Amino acid sequence: SQKIEQNSEALNIQEGKTATLTCNYTNYSPAYLQWYRQDPGRGPVFLLLIRENEKEKRKERLKVTFDTTLKQSLFHITASQPADSATYLCALPPWGNNRLAFGKGNQVVVIP
Amino acid sequence: DAGVIQSPRHEVTEMGQEVTLRCKPISGHDYLFWYRQTMMRGLELLIYFNNNVPIDDSGMPEDRFSAKMPNASFSTLKIQPSEPRDSAVYFCAIGTGVGETQYFGPGTRLLVL
Repeated sequence: SQKIEQNSEALNIQEGKTATLTCNYTNYSPAYLQWYRQDPGRGPVFLLLIRENEKEKRKERLKVTFDTTLKQSLFHITASQPADSATYLCALPPWGNNRLAFGKGNQVVVIP
Repeated sequence: DAGVIQSPRHEVTEMGQEVTLRCKPISGHDYLFWYRQTMMRGLELLIYFNNNVPIDDSGMPEDRFSAKMPNASFSTLKIQPSEPRDSAVYFCAIGTGVGETQYFGPGTRLLVL
């Protein structure tokens, strides 16, 4: 079955630096991939969707890449701010009989 | 959280009791999803509805779990009887398709003692 992997260790980063998160997947060929942000005590909030024919997608200080050969997506937060501290989840669309699948998320802590 | 209201926000109950979680989608989306989130297993899809009809309930862990959607603006997730291992945060989400962008409610934090 398909598998989605995100780093379980929190990423601590100095304010102003670029945070980079990784989402790896196996046994899967998704047509697109989504990234969500989740704050403590809140539900996930949609951030970006990138399609398989798009190498890169940007939204303000966020940048997402999608490498279908490596089966990997990278999520970058440039000029990070303490307000960017949250958990970021990647999600892949259904394939076969499966449903939208979420990774467990990767926590980012931006240190002032 | 815009578009979905969940109640209660927190629920503490004792093992064996019935628990009912509620979801009120505000905006008009054809799909409604119930998820459960724990540290160990992450976000798991329990069941989803399309136009108020249950489509896939294969994620419902046991017969103790049931869900209904009597109309487009209301859905319930019931656990009867509840067990300590049901303790988790339960989210309701809406969307325009199974793999499309989903909009989550604030969640209900359930603790079963």
